[in-house]
Amino acid sequence: AQSVAQPEDQVNVAEGNPLTVKCTYSVSGNPYLFWYVQYPNRGLQFLLKYITGDNLVKGSYGFEAEFNKSQTSFHLKKPSALVSDSALYFCAASPRGANNLFFGTGTRLTVIP
Amino acid sequence: ETGVTQSPTHLIKTRGQQVTLRCSSQSGHNTVSWYQQALGQGPQFIFQYYREEENGRGNFPPRFSGLQFPNYSSELNVNALELDDSALYLCASSPRLADNEQFFGPGTRLTVL
Repeated sequence: AQSVAQPEDQVNVAEGNPLTVKCTYSVSGNPYLFWYVQYPNRGLQFLLKYITGDNLVKGSYGFEAEFNKSQTSFHLKKPSALVSDSALYFCAASPRGANNLFFGTGTRLTVIP
Repeated sequence: ETGVTQSPTHLIKTRGQQVTLRCSSQSGHNTVSWYQQALGQGPQFIFQYYREEENGRGNFPPRFSGLQFPNYSSELNVNALELDDSALYLCASSPRLADNEQFFGPGTRLTVL
């Protein structure tokens, strides 16, 4: 079965510190990989995606993600966290040529002032 | 440019009833996907429509059905509602079938009593 795992339900980080939100995937082929963010009572907002090329992908709001094929991981990172980054983050994968996204269960990020 | 919109915002139904949720895709987008997000879970793919035809379906029973109209707006219909259908229903549109970057609406919160 195809799946995406986010091993941490909750990540707490102090404002100004670097943050990492972990994601691993088990999806056939070389899937497209995505990170989305969800604020309360809102839909999902796209942060970044990996299609091919450089393993470090840069996205919106200063976020970046590191793709590691051997570990089938796609961890989300930011060098310096802001209180406004506090939200629910979802990792997703889509098999190439397919038409749907497989989502992880989400990680709630709390940035402490 | 108008983003993806969904109506209604909230809906309360009783078990056994039928419900119709609506989605207007982002301007220029011809592909619409629907997802179910249960409380505390990641979104799960229901189905996708491309140019008015269903183009892929997740593991949902036939009582979940949909339509896409010539203007690319879409409806999700659920018959014989069950308590477990209570969830946030997300609509996402894409500019092209092969483009897995999906733009999400704010969702419709369905509560089944």
